[in-house]
Amino acid sequence: DAGITQSPRHKVTETGTPVTLRCHQTENHRYMYWYRQDPGHGLRLIHYSYGVKDTDKGEVSDGYSVSRSKTEDFLLTLESATSSQTSVYFCAITRGPNTEAFFGQGTRLTVV
Amino acid sequence: QKEVEQDPGPLSVPEGAIVSLNCTYSNSAFQYFMWYRQYSRKGPELLMYTYSSGNKEDGRFTAQVDKSSKYISLFIRDSQPSDSATYLCAMSAANNDMRFGAGTRLTVKP
Repeated sequence: DAGITQSPRHKVTETGTPVTLRCHQTENHRYMYWYRQDPGHGLRLIHYSYGVKDTDKGEVSDGYSVSRSKTEDFLLTLESATSSQTSVYFCAITRGPNTEAFFGQGTRLTVV
Repeated sequence: QKEVEQDPGPLSVPEGAIVSLNCTYSNSAFQYFMWYRQYSRKGPELLMYTYSSGNKEDGRFTAQVDKSSKYISLFIRDSQPSDSATYLCAMSAANNDMRFGAGTRLTVKP
């Protein structure tokens, strides 16, 4: 398995609170991604990073921010969680653009 | 209309059957096509990767891409209970913006 660790694996939080999800990789891949997976929608890209301090928005970025201060870590922050952000979040890494993506195990987030 | 359409199933077949999974898409700029398999409560893992049109075979799996029809398929021969999973098609253009289908849940019954 590719060395990708997501933390926490499960989290329940209240509406309006900030939440940070962490993705840590040991593969030294340049590209890192955050997706959310919801029934009927598949995986949708939230934000991605193509290098340290280089990030860009994805398809569903509203309400989310990211940071990448080290090659191995990519953080996803929900500034003020809403119930619509209840989802399963996956981190992925790729060596380059349009190459094989390796996914983490996912973080199941519930906003109540 | 979604950029990538995939029948969510569920699809149930007997062991040994040939399975056909399909996706259609609307963006003619897509040129990289992938199939991922996702077991319950796990992250997706890459099964097949193809560039542009044509067929690619890997063991019991065959991926087909028909760019003229904007249609891709994954065939599984001699299906096994261990193939029971959700199968996600994915595709991207040169800008690395990958789009996924909603996934088809497959159950192979012994």
